[in-house]
Amino acid sequence: NAGVMQNPRHLVRRRGQEARLRCSPMKGHSHVYWYRQLPEEGLKFMVYLQKENIIDESGMPKERFSAEFPKEGPSILRIQQVVRGDSAAYFCASSPRQVSNTDTQYFGPGTRLTVL
Amino acid sequence: KQEVTQIPAALSVPEGENLVLNCSFTDSAIYNLQWFRQDPGKGLTSLLLIQSSQREQTSGRLNASLDKSSGRSTLYIAASQPGDSATYLCAVRRSSSDMRFGAGTRLTVKP
Repeated sequence: NAGVMQNPRHLVRRRGQEARLRCSPMKGHSHVYWYRQLPEEGLKFMVYLQKENIIDESGMPKERFSAEFPKEGPSILRIQQVVRGDSAAYFCASSPRQVSNTDTQYFGPGTRLTVL
Repeated sequence: KQEVTQIPAALSVPEGENLVLNCSFTDSAIYNLQWFRQDPGKGLTSLLLIQSSQREQTSGRLNASLDKSSGRSTLYIAASQPGDSATYLCAVRRSSSDMRFGAGTRLTVKP
């Protein structure tokens, strides 16, 4: 059973371009979470999605950022018109169901975005 | 608002030493607390999960404790090895989507 997969692992964009980050959850997992890790900081929650639904996007910037998790295919985190401050590691995690107090999420290796 | 703090930010020890990593949080209304390991360029690996009703969890050379009333958790690593070198993250969960991470402790174990 492959773990959570993210691609690309490294992404370089110039200011103003678009960045698309993909996350394939573990087989059988229908819940996906995106986190951002800025240098020397902890991971910060961005958005929680279930298949075709956004459950909680309270951690996602209101502008330029969007996320989706279609019925078929990976979850996509999209950043439009990137700025240097978007440079960070973006991690995806998945779970088979809504996480309870005994459950853990399974994390992918992350995508490291660099904005020039 | 839940704040999670980890001390120290970095730690270097000789191989074989026992060590303690600290995590503090401001809001005791938590589902659980987890300790993760993060290796450079890689994702997070869950080490131990302590439910809010539990006091500690053990796995091999690792032991994690939880004191909700004081808002503290410790991760104890016995007989440290160079392979333990990594960043250790503490995270507290308040709901399905509300998981707050500390900034981590970067551990180096010297042979």
